[in-house]
Amino acid sequence: QKEVEQNSGPLSVPEGAIASLNCTYSDRVSQSFFWYRQYSGKSPELIMSIYSNGDKEDGRFTAQLNKASQYVSLLIRDSQPSDSATYLCAVNMYLNTGNQFYFGTGTSLTVIP
Amino acid sequence: EPEVTQTPSHQVTQMGQEVILRCVPISNHLYFYWYRQILGQKVEFLVSFYNNEISEKSEIFDDQFSVERPDGSNFTLKIRSTKLEDSAMYFCASSEVNPGPYTFGSGTRLTVV
Repeated sequence: QKEVEQNSGPLSVPEGAIASLNCTYSDRVSQSFFWYRQYSGKSPELIMSIYSNGDKEDGRFTAQLNKASQYVSLLIRDSQPSDSATYLCAVNMYLNTGNQFYFGTGTSLTVIP
Repeated sequence: EPEVTQTPSHQVTQMGQEVILRCVPISNHLYFYWYRQILGQKVEFLVSFYNNEISEKSEIFDDQFSVERPDGSNFTLKIRSTKLEDSAMYFCASSEVNPGPYTFGSGTRLTVV
């Protein structure tokens, strides 16, 4: 069973704090990992991609990948109320003839002013 | 910035009717996808399409569903004999490479009554 697991939350943090979002996945050979942000009623919007173990920083966002532990996380520094959204982890998983991205259920984040 | 365009934004149909959801992927993208999201649930993979044929499909994508690229720009999802449980947001996405970051369209909200 191909699985991408996220804590559904809700996660609440005060404005200016660090929000930490976690994701685990079941397919050991997964190579590509993405974080998407989804506002209510809107489509997913790509925030970060990560392919190698370690940290990748982009502005206030840091993605962390640990393939041995099958774990990927997203840190949001200096959280803003506009960061309030659902964050989706997407992991590529291999099927019989190719591979596709599977999404976790998402973590709902609320940043309190 | 290039975007994926979906029409219509909202479609209401009677149970048993056929619907066609339309998408215009980003012009230099080669891989096309349909995902759906039932209200409050995760984004679920339906089908991927490359080189004018289906490359992967999920268990959800049964004989009721079909996809087509009728010309050089449109990518359609047809749902025959719609059921109440087909009510969901349907997202089209495209990517330049596979696996690669997807760009999602704004979605079509399908309501089956």
